[in-house]
Amino acid sequence: DVKVTQSSRYLVKRTGEKVFLECVQDMDHENMFWYRQDPGLGLRLIYFSYDVKMKEKGDIPEGYSVSREKKERFSLILESASTNQTSMYLCASSPVDRWDGYTFGSGTRLTVV
Amino acid sequence: QKEVEQNSGPLSVPEGAIASLNCTYSDRGSQSFFWYRQYSGKSPELIMFIYSNGDKEDGRFTAQLNKASQYVSLLIRDSQPSDSATYLCAVQGGSEKLVFGKGTKLTVNP
Repeated sequence: DVKVTQSSRYLVKRTGEKVFLECVQDMDHENMFWYRQDPGLGLRLIYFSYDVKMKEKGDIPEGYSVSREKKERFSLILESASTNQTSMYLCASSPVDRWDGYTFGSGTRLTVV
Repeated sequence: QKEVEQNSGPLSVPEGAIASLNCTYSDRGSQSFFWYRQYSGKSPELIMFIYSNGDKEDGRFTAQLNKASQYVSLLIRDSQPSDSATYLCAVQGGSEKLVFGKGTKLTVNP
């Protein structure tokens, strides 16, 4: 019973391409998050959304944008992919009425060549 | 800047021993504390959370919180090779966001 689904497990893109990473959750959670995880740097928040069409920048939003047109779907967009965006990307969601942490998706390993 | 500090390890313990993982945090207003386990190449999975000072036990896992010292720990009793993973400490302050430590890598040797 997968609850947070990321559309791709592995992705290879070329420098300069526009890249879409998709995340869908079926738990009716209000909050959704995008993190990237790099060795030695840990998990860093890129963007989060607390409602449809609402978004807020995280710690490292440069080079990224997001879209949340429906409650269950939160997309991360790399406007023009660069090699320093090669990373593991993790989507997570959480409810607002019960604070017991995030549920993570399985992650997308993105390589930009 | 809210910070969460963990020893990066690696922490190596023999099978059957107690593994002790530690975490300190900078924001005194932090309210909720989480431990996630992450196997290599996988995403983090929640194993424990704690809100109140003291101990919280769940099977072989015990989370300990001391807000005065801004310290949270995770004890794993009777460690198994399957416990070998990176353990992430996460702290929630006054918003919906979690701040994560960089993780401690645990190896349990058979």
